[in-house]
Amino acid sequence: KNQVEQSPQSLIILEGKNCTLQCNYTVSPFSNLRWYKQDTGRGPVSLTIMTFSENTKSNGRYTATLDADTKQSSLHITASQLSDSASYICVVSEDTDKLIFGTGTRLQVFP
Amino acid sequence: DAGVIQSPRHEVTEMGQEVTLRCKPISGHDYLFWYRQTMMRGLELLIYFNNNVPIDDSGMPEDRFSAKMPNASFSTLKIQPSEPRDSAVYFCASSLRGWYEQYFGPGTRLTVT
Repeated sequence: KNQVEQSPQSLIILEGKNCTLQCNYTVSPFSNLRWYKQDTGRGPVSLTIMTFSENTKSNGRYTATLDADTKQSSLHITASQLSDSASYICVVSEDTDKLIFGTGTRLQVFP
Repeated sequence: DAGVIQSPRHEVTEMGQEVTLRCKPISGHDYLFWYRQTMMRGLELLIYFNNNVPIDDSGMPEDRFSAKMPNASFSTLKIQPSEPRDSAVYFCASSLRGWYEQYFGPGTRLTVT
């Protein structure tokens, strides 16, 4: 069964610190992997999209990595800010383009 | 562009009542998606349209749910009759390039008592 699992479920860090969120998937055949940021009360917003041939992609302080062999991805946030407090959702696309969503990691950044 | 617009933002209704959620996609986008989000199950695709035509409705939970897209700028998701287990946040998203880059609306939080 195609699944996307994220860890941890929730995370609390202090402002300025770095953190890494994990995503493991069993989706096959694989097309692409995305990370979305979802602020409370808002819709998800795309941070990065990576295809099979890409193993790292950055968007400002956000860096996503992808290991298609082990079917793992991570999202690294550098020098966290209060505005990074949100849920981060890993989404994997089958080659039919259907999206399989993870349940997300809830990140809280405290001053 | 104002982005994807959804209404209402919040809806509270009693079990058995009909509920209609509305979505206006980004102008020029020819794909429209309806999702449901709950704490337990995360985001789930309900149905999607291409050029106003429903392509895949396999995610629609049961016959109580129906969706229409009468034109390129408007879509509705209807639940009749509503049940407490339908309580969730319903998102609409639109895309210019199929599945690749979807833009989500702010969502409608539905509570069925």
